[in-house]
Amino acid sequence: GENVEQHPSTLSVQEGDSAVIKCTYSDSASNYFPWYKQELGKRPQLIIDIRSNVGEKKDQRIAVTLNKTAKHFSLHITETQPEDSAVYFCAARYSGGYQKVTFGIGTKLQVIP
Amino acid sequence: DSGVTQTPKHLITATGQRVTLRCSPRSGDLSVYWYQQSLDQGLQFLIQYYNGEERAKGNILERFSAQQFPDLHSELNLSSLELGDSALYFCASSPGQGNYEQYFGPGTRLTVT
Repeated sequence: GENVEQHPSTLSVQEGDSAVIKCTYSDSASNYFPWYKQELGKRPQLIIDIRSNVGEKKDQRIAVTLNKTAKHFSLHITETQPEDSAVYFCAARYSGGYQKVTFGIGTKLQVIP
Repeated sequence: DSGVTQTPKHLITATGQRVTLRCSPRSGDLSVYWYQQSLDQGLQFLIQYYNGEERAKGNILERFSAQQFPDLHSELNLSSLELGDSALYFCASSPGQGNYEQYFGPGTRLTVT
């Protein structure tokens, strides 16, 4: 089955700096890669996603890049703000006969004011 | 608010008991997913239903079962509960049919004593 590895597990940055979280996946048949943000005690919320036919996608301060050959994708947050502090999860969806979505272990991002 | 509802919000029960968690998907969404999140852990995929039929199974214990009803709401049944079953249980829904975005409910916090 699909295996998604995510790193780092924790990340501290100064407010205004950039943050990068990386994920690798194992199954080349995966075709959809969402990123979720989960604040303490709250539900995971989709913040950005990318499909396998696209190399990069941007939404304001957030961007995701995908390298299908290397089977890795990354989340980039620029000009970080304290409200960006949360746990971020990457995920990969297998495109085969079933629709299982496998999540990474999560990255706890702390933005220091 | 994602449009996905879950009841109850909190549940405290004893070991050996059985509980039922309920999820109502967003209007129009055909797929329902169940996840388990233990303390400081990632999201463990349990099971997925699409339009009433089971579509994918993850690391779901035999003591756990789920179903999706004709009105598309879903229930997760947990039986012979153990202390280790204490966790946050999330339901998510997605439209299906090529649209993979998952929207999470607020979760049910289960405490087994």
